This record gives sequence, structure tokens and C-alpha cells, in this order.
Amino acid sequence: ELKVEQNPLFLSMQEGKNYTIYCNYSTTSDRLYWYRQDPGKSLESLFVLLSNGAVKQEGRLMASLDTKARLSTLHITAAVHDLSATYFCAVEMATSGTYKYIFGTGTRLKVLA
Amino acid sequence: DSGVTQTPKHLITATGQRVTLRCSPRSGDLSVYWYQQSLDQGLQFLIQYYNGEERAKGNILERFSAQQFPDLHSELNLSSLELGDSALYFCASSVGTRAVHEQFFGPGTRLTVL
Repeated sequence: ELKVEQNPLFLSMQEGKNYTIYCNYSTTSDRLYWYRQDPGKSLESLFVLLSNGAVKQEGRLMASLDTKARLSTLHITAAVHDLSATYFCAVEMATSGTYKYIFGTGTRLKVLA
Repeated sequence: DSGVTQTPKHLITATGQRVTLRCSPRSGDLSVYWYQQSLDQGLQFLIQYYNGEERAKGNILERFSAQQFPDLHSELNLSSLELGDSALYFCASSVGTRAVHEQFFGPGTRLTVL
């Protein structure tokens, strides 16, 4: 069964610093999604990565996908307080003529001023 | 505001009962996705409908069912409720058949089973 692991689970970082969140998955997939969730709020779609080597950037966040390594990264550049949230990756898995999405455990990011 | 609406916002019920959660997608979106978020299970994909037809299925329990109506709103029915069904239920919508198209999430329905 497909497993999706994120690390770290918790991340506390200073403003202005860089850091990377990792998303590893256990079976073949070439579609990966990143979401953001603010405390007590709903989810927001951040990035859709559709192929090996895909890289997407939005502001201080950059996501990449390496399907051979079964790894996606979410890189944070010069963190600001507004980036404090929980970040989820999700992998799309084809199964029995249909497909489903498996989420990682989430990484709770806290950016300290 | 994502444009996706969910009702009710909160629901408190008892074990063994049946509830219906409702989702209205953004105007023009044909896909509706349902997700469950709980402390125990994390975030789980339940099911997706596209233009009235089931398109993708996750680990949705047999006690749960969903449908999408001709006006594209969707309902998630949860029956024989158990304490473990207490969770936040989100729906999302997208214009196309797959999540490769950006999804827009509703505010969620918080279900508490006592």
C-alpha cells in the first residue's frame, strides 16, 4: 500500500532562514500535490507537480518532484511569519482503473519573528 | 472565500445516527472531492465525483456514501455513526476531472459524534 511520509513533522524556524520539507512516497506516481492549512482553517492548494523534474515556485515557496527517488521537496526561502501553517503533500495513485490521493502526515511550520 | 460552500458548519449527533453533509462547488466546476480530517487518521481522501459520476475512490467506509446531483452540488451521507467518525469533513471542487486542476476547498463541516 502507498505510504506518504513527510519530515519533519514540526519545524520551528527564524524569519529570514531557509529550510526544506521532504515528502517521500513508497510507490510509483508522477503526480504530487502540495497544500497549506492555516490553524482552524480549510485547505489551500499550493502546487501541482505532474512529471519528473517538475519545479514550481510561488513567492518564497518552491516545490520540486523527483519521481525516480519518489521524493518531493518544498523549499522555503527567507521565511516570514505569514508562512506559519501546516503543509501537506499528497500523492496520486492509480489503482484498479481508478485513482486516489494519499496524504502525508503534514509538517507544522512555525516561523518565529 | 474559495466560492465552495458547505453546510452545516457544525453537526453534533449521537452514535448510530445518520447525517448528510452538503457541498456546493464553485460556479463552473464539475468535480467535487470529499476529504476527512481527524486527529487519528490525519487527512484522508474519500471520494470524487465529476459531472454526476464517481471518478475516484479512496478509503471510504461502506457506511458512507456520496452523490452528485444534476445541479452539481454533492452530498456525503454518513450512517451508523461511530465515535471515530468525529472529524472535519472538507469538500473541494475543480474545473476538470482530476486534481491536476487546482482544487478549491470549502470551509468544512465539523462533525461530533457523542
